Amino acid sequence: QVQLQESGPGLVRPSETLSVTCAVSGYSISSGFYWGWIRQPPGKGLEWIGNVYNTGTSYRNPSLKSRVTISVDTSKNHFSLTLKSVTAADTAVYYCARQGRGYGYDYWGQGTLVTVAA
Amino acid sequence: QSTLSQPPSASGTPGQRVTISCSGGPSSIGSNAVNWYQHLPGAAPKLLIYSNDQRPSGVPARFSGSKSGTSASLAISGLQSEDEADYYCATWHDSLSGVLFGGGTKLTVL
Repeated sequence: QVQLQESGPGLVRPSETLSVTCAVSGYSISSGFYWGWIRQPPGKGLEWIGNVYNTGTSYRNPSLKSRVTISVDTSKNHFSLTLKSVTAADTAVYYCARQGRGYGYDYWGQGTLVTVAA
Repeated sequence: QSTLSQPPSASGTPGQRVTISCSGGPSSIGSNAVNWYQHLPGAAPKLLIYSNDQRPSGVPARFSGSKSGTSASLAISGLQSEDEADYYCATWHDSLSGVLFGGGTKLTVL
């Protein structure tokens, strides 16, 4: 059974960098599929952040592209999100997910709440 | 059009059939498959429909999807109280080279 688990800082100060990691079990990232990050600000809808392949190839939301880095570590079977220069608008539950058949996200982590506040 | 439009809310009574629409454009729904997600409070989103009309294993047959041109729909028949959730459509946008999510539809079972 494929399982994903996010780990994040919980609280990040404005203007600093947010980093969240997604540990994957039950499937080797090296075997394929894109792996993605999606977030949900409080009271709002889902927002796609980006995807990464096991080669490191990534696609990022144009509205976040200048601040986002998505990387993969196949030796640890995890992938990571880094978001620079955060503001309160980046407060959200951050989800990691696997993009499977039909490019649908078929396996998701439980999400981690990251709050940006002083 | 670089957005996907969904009605903010929908409702129905137990046993009824409800549909949720998702409208895009030529570079999004018009060119790519649509996926649908169910999101219950406090839980991770769940893939309900992929590739316009395919159900993952374990998703009841009363959930169905369709696509025509630049629009897609999710239909739920035999509505149940546990279907009360937020529903999102999503697809790839060719020009943006990224995934678009609709704004979400909150389904209330009366």
